[in-house]
Amino acid sequence: QVHLVQSGPEVKQPGASVKVSCKASGYSFTKSLMQWVRQAPGHRPEWMGWIIVHNGNTKYSQRFQGRLTITRDTSANTTYMDLRSLRSEDTALYYCARDSPTANHVGALDYWGQGTLVTVSS
Amino acid sequence: DIQMTQSPSTLSASVGDRVTITCRASQSISTYLNWYQQKPGRAPNLLIYAASTLQSGVPSRFSGSGSGTDFTLTISGLQPEDFATYYCQEIYSTVLFTFGPGTKVEVK
Repeated sequence: QVHLVQSGPEVKQPGASVKVSCKASGYSFTKSLMQWVRQAPGHRPEWMGWIIVHNGNTKYSQRFQGRLTITRDTSANTTYMDLRSLRSEDTALYYCARDSPTANHVGALDYWGQGTLVTVSS
Repeated sequence: DIQMTQSPSTLSASVGDRVTITCRASQSISTYLNWYQQKPGRAPNLLIYAASTLQSGVPSRFSGSGSGTDFTLTISGLQPEDFATYYCQEIYSTVLFTFGPGTKVEVK
């Protein structure tokens, strides 16, 4: 059974950084592509970026260029999302998700973590 | 950037109804479109990918169609567990993967 378990809620001050983890189990982590999506309260989801687990290649949304880094630790079956220079607009639920291995195109997210609430407030 | 719109924003329906939600892209995206269902406090759940392919485990009352700029999600025989918000998502751009604004299906 595929499971994605994320780290707990965070409260950060403006200008700080946050690092959210996502531990995968129940499938071959190194053969996957992992994505990060965030959702502000009452808003639509917003795609952030992805990482190809086996080689560490990443792609980021233009909206986060320079502030976002996605990494992985294959020995721990874990992917990480690091967002810097936080502002109040970054307050949101942050989700990791697995890219479907059966869809023929990147972007279909078939399993999701439970979400991590990041609150940015002074 | 590709802009995604959905209509209606809210839909009132009863159990057993046939429900149709429309999603429109600002430019052609072929069939690079997914549909998700989201319930309050939960992560989105993939229903349909590639515009019309049903995700494994999703009930067959859900179906998707369309290509280019216009897409539809149909629920044939609404069930109590289907009251939720539905999002379309383009995966054509590979740089933004924009979600639509959502359609809330509520009890009539």
